Amino acid sequence: EVQLVESGGGLVQPGGSLRLSCAASGFTLSNFWMYWVRQAPGKGLLWVSRINPDGRITDYADSVKGRFTISRDNAKNTLFLQMNSLTADDTAVYFCARDMRWQALDSWGQGTLVTVSS
Amino acid sequence: DVVMTQTPLSLSVTPGQPASISCQSSQSLLHSNGKTYLHWYLQKPGQSPQLLIYEVSSRFSGVSDRFSGSGSGTDFTLKISRVEAEDVGVYYCMQGRHVPGTFGQGTKVEIK
Repeated sequence: EVQLVESGGGLVQPGGSLRLSCAASGFTLSNFWMYWVRQAPGKGLLWVSRINPDGRITDYADSVKGRFTISRDNAKNTLFLQMNSLTADDTAVYFCARDMRWQALDSWGQGTLVTVSS
Repeated sequence: DVVMTQTPLSLSVTPGQPASISCQSSQSLLHSNGKTYLHWYLQKPGQSPQLLIYEVSSRFSGVSDRFSGSGSGTDFTLKISRVEAEDVGVYYCMQGRHVPGTFGQGTKVEIK
């Protein structure tokens, strides 16, 4: 069974940093593009970042470019999102998701909540 | 970025009745390979989103045949032939043709 489990969320002060992890199981992580998608409280879904199977190609939403870094460790079946210079606007549930093809995200984790507040 | 516009933003449906959600993109989602990359997701209350339809009209594994997708270019529709209680939630269209992928605002479906 395909499973994605996020961790690393929590309360952080404005300007702080957090590193999210997404543990993958039930499939070979190295075969798939992987994504982070976030959802602010009561709001819709927002595409955050993606990374290609070998980790050499990354893309970011303009709102996080230069502050967030996506990476992966295929040997450890784990996806990461390093988030720096956090602001209140980054408060959201962060989901990791697997790309079946052309951004059709066929498996999603349960999400991890990031709260940026003083 | 490609803007995705969904209508309506909320829908209240009697069980057994049909429902329809429209999605319009600000740019064509047709690729030179002939495929169109428009996908539909459902986020049930308290759950993560789940893929319903990919590439306009292909139902994802395990998705009921009550769900169907259609459209081309920039205009797309998700139809539920007979709404059931388990269909409640927020439906999102998402374009996968361009990077970054972009979602519609979501359409909340409730049961009357």
